[in-house]
Amino acid sequence: QQQVKQSPQSLIVQKGGISIINCAYENTAFDYFPWYQQFPGKGPALLIAIRPDVSEKKEGRFTISFNKSAKQFSLHIMDSQPGDSATYFCAASMGTGGGNKLTFGTGTQLKVEL
Amino acid sequence: EPEVTQTPSHQVTQMGQEVILRCVPISNHLYFYWYRQILGQKVEFLVSFYNNEISEKSEIFDDQFSVERPDGSNFTLKIRSTKLEDSAMYFCASQQVTLPGRDGYTFGSGTRLTVV
Repeated sequence: QQQVKQSPQSLIVQKGGISIINCAYENTAFDYFPWYQQFPGKGPALLIAIRPDVSEKKEGRFTISFNKSAKQFSLHIMDSQPGDSATYFCAASMGTGGGNKLTFGTGTQLKVEL
Repeated sequence: EPEVTQTPSHQVTQMGQEVILRCVPISNHLYFYWYRQILGQKVEFLVSFYNNEISEKSEIFDDQFSVERPDGSNFTLKIRSTKLEDSAMYFCASQQVTLPGRDGYTFGSGTRLTVV
């Protein structure tokens, strides 16, 4: 019940195209859903995050769509660029007083081709 | 922009040896975490630390692991007797607040631990 399922495992998109990565969760206690971007040899970096009281959040070329009833959320990268080539992880957490453990998805390797 | 600093970037150790991975979190952050990532796999939670004590730990974080914040700035992960399966990238992270306006973590660049 703590799992976050992520798809696809890998994705190739042409420059200028839209990259879409999907995640699904089961635990309805999760109340914070971040996306992380990771380049080789680096730690995950927070890209964008959403809470379940909104259905969409947009920051620049990155948009999270959230479907609470379906327990699904997705990352859309508009106008994908070669510099977006990285591994993307969705994650989920729930609030506690002592910290917020993140449960990560399995990751999506995105490659944006010229 | 403030960073979480981890040292060393790469450590090779013999099976059965003790290792200490070091982290300097962002100075005004209150919550500290260790995660690990086995090559090609997802990032997995190990432990969270708040107010000088462990607040949550995973099944991975058994008696071989320990954490401490010895001097108010460093945050360390100790593996007492390393096994081959401990080979992974270990990430430290810190967070300023959790409730109600929770922000994201800041992760360090990681320490690659290789057990031979």
